[in-house]
Amino acid sequence: KAGVTQTPRYLIKTRGQQVTLSCSPISGHRSVSWYQQTPGQGLQFLFEYFSETQRNKGNFPGRFSGRQFSNSRSEMNVSTLELGDSALYLCASSLVSQGAYEQYFGPGTRLTVT
Amino acid sequence: KQEVTQIPAALSVPEGENLVLNCSFTDSAIYNLQWFRQDPGKGLTSLLLIQSSQREQTSGRLNASLDKSSGRSTLYIAASQPGDSATYLCAVRDIGSSNTGKLIFGQGTTLQVKP
Repeated sequence: KAGVTQTPRYLIKTRGQQVTLSCSPISGHRSVSWYQQTPGQGLQFLFEYFSETQRNKGNFPGRFSGRQFSNSRSEMNVSTLELGDSALYLCASSLVSQGAYEQYFGPGTRLTVT
Repeated sequence: KQEVTQIPAALSVPEGENLVLNCSFTDSAIYNLQWFRQDPGKGLTSLLLIQSSQREQTSGRLNASLDKSSGRSTLYIAASQPGDSATYLCAVRDIGSSNTGKLIFGQGTTLQVKP
């Protein structure tokens, strides 16, 4: 079974631009969560989508948004990029059933804002 | 507000040594705790998941324990190998987030195993 895939793997953008990242979950997984990882703040939860609905949201400004499609693929968008948005963006998918709710992570998208 | 702490931040050991990584959390009302491994510049690989009702989980040379009442978890690695070199992260899911994907992560312990 294929793992979580994220595209693109690397991205360089300029301040003020916007960017869209994509995540394809493991087949059958309907929950997709997004995280930002930086050296200073570590891994921080951005938001989660389940059945095309945002179910939970972290403490990030409104410039960060996302959506989920009917095939469970998810995209996140960052508008008006700032230097501080440079980070590794990770998505994780989960098979939501009673019990564990174990998360499986993709390889990440490395975003550099110049 | 739940906070997760991992000590030490970095650890260097000779090959073959048994070692313990520590994780502590401030709120004992957790649903489960998950240990991950991250290689430089890569995503996270799930190692072990412990439900709040469990005391430990084992996978190969790895054993994770959970003491919810004291807010602690340990990851024991037996007979360490150079291939174990990576950053190890623990993450908790609060009771309030039991039906969501929200995990709260520690800062990680970077392990180096020297040949």
